[in-house]
Amino acid sequence: DAKTTQPPSMDCAEGRAANLPCNHSTISGNEYVYWYRQIHSQGPQYIIHGLKNNETNEMASLIITEDRKSSTLILPHATLRDTAVYYCIVRLSSIYNQGGKLIFGQGTELSVKP
Amino acid sequence: DAGVIQSPRHEVTEMGQEVTLRCKPISGHDYLFWYRQTMMRGLELLIYFNNNVPIDDSGMPEDRFSAKMPNASFSTLKIQPSEPRDSAVYFCASSSTGLGQGVNQPQHFGDGTRLSIL
Repeated sequence: DAKTTQPPSMDCAEGRAANLPCNHSTISGNEYVYWYRQIHSQGPQYIIHGLKNNETNEMASLIITEDRKSSTLILPHATLRDTAVYYCIVRLSSIYNQGGKLIFGQGTELSVKP
Repeated sequence: DAGVIQSPRHEVTEMGQEVTLRCKPISGHDYLFWYRQTMMRGLELLIYFNNNVPIDDSGMPEDRFSAKMPNASFSTLKIQPSEPRDSAVYFCASSSTGLGQGVNQPQHFGDGTRLSIL
């Protein structure tokens, strides 16, 4: 699986959009970009994933560049409860990929401040 | 729907004792994963199962660790004998094989077991 690079920490004001970047310059054509987050003392929580098109769900939006070498997770209106470590992961997603292992890096620690 | 359920939430035991961690995956999920999280090493995959069969146990640190999945609704991770360096938070996750597009669905994690070996 391709490796990812994320800033170790970011701050965001409550109510503003949080934009979390991720570089994955060695991503291959059949690898998806996944985002998870981990709030203190809880298990990782799935946020969103995508292949090449931008994706949006009730939690966030995922913007993937045209060359797929980087992506941005957008939390449109950050709240204090969004304070967490955010992990960007790329992995093969196929029923033939033995389950698609998740390799977690160090992630970005997002602090949402009042 | 109930999520992934792990027990116990906290475990404190003395070095040398046997420790058993338990996990109930989400009903209908055919993949089950065991992870360990420490400050030094972050989140590491230990082992995963597909349809109750171990597929990849390359992350299991040593023979003191073993995992079983006797049926689709239950798995255990056992450490015998336990050592202080095994202290960590252990997470269980499950997912299902997607239909149609052959895309695995996201993994859903339990709240973990915080293990302390004295």
